[in-house]
Amino acid sequence: KAGVTQTPRYLIKTRGQQVTLSCSPISGHRSVSWYQQTPGQGLQFLFEYFSETQRNKGNFPGRFSGRQFSNSRSEMNVSTLELGDSALYLCASSPDSPRDGYTFGSGTRLTVV
Amino acid sequence: AQKITQTQPGMFVQEKEAVTLDCTYDTSDPSYGLFWYKQPSSGEMIFLIYQGSYDQQNATEGRYSLNFQKARKSANLVISASQLGDSAMYFCAMREDSGGSNYKLTFGKGTLLTVNP
Repeated sequence: KAGVTQTPRYLIKTRGQQVTLSCSPISGHRSVSWYQQTPGQGLQFLFEYFSETQRNKGNFPGRFSGRQFSNSRSEMNVSTLELGDSALYLCASSPDSPRDGYTFGSGTRLTVV
Repeated sequence: AQKITQTQPGMFVQEKEAVTLDCTYDTSDPSYGLFWYKQPSSGEMIFLIYQGSYDQQNATEGRYSLNFQKARKSANLVISASQLGDSAMYFCAMREDSGGSNYKLTFGKGTLLTVNP
C-alpha cells in the first residue's frame, strides 16, 4: 500500500515569508501528526489531527498552524518565517491501534535564509 | 524532566554481531507505549518495534527485540546479527495513553549506530 506522502521534499524560503507543507496519510488512517526535527532540539511534536479535529498541540508559537481535510490529508502552515524554523518537518499517520506504529513520511526539509 | 533518555550518542558494532541500544523513560501514566524508530541518512523514520506497558512478553520483530524492564523503566533495543544497512540513527519514543499527553510521541535524542565490516 502507498506510504505517507509529504510535499514538497525541499523548500527554501526567505525570513518573513510563509510556507505550507502537505501530508497525505496512508489510506484508512484518520490520525495525522506533525514533528519538527532540528540538530539542537531533536524531534519535537507540533500537533495531531483526527477526523479534522486537532486533539493535541505541542509547545510552539502561534505562527505554526495546521489543519486536516475530510480525506485525512493534512497541511501545516508557518507564517512569518524565522531562521530558527529551518528544520526537517515530518508527518506521521497512524491507525487506530498504536501497535502497528506510526508511519512517517520522508519529510520536508525547510531552509529559511 | 526528560521523559526519554538515550545515553549512548554513538555506538559501533562489527557486522554479524549483536548490539544493544539503551533507552530509559519516565512516566507516571500506567498505560503507555514504547516505540523504536530507525532514521537513515535519507531522513525517513522507519518503525521497528512496539511494546505496550501491559504486554507480558518482550516484543520481537525479526532481528529486532525489545528488552522491556518495566520496574527499571527501560526499553532497550537489541539488534541481532548486525548488517551494514543497520547503520543509522535510532530513536526511542513513548506515547502516554491518558491525560493531555496522548496522541503524541515523545522522542529521545537518538543513538547513531555504525556497523563496521
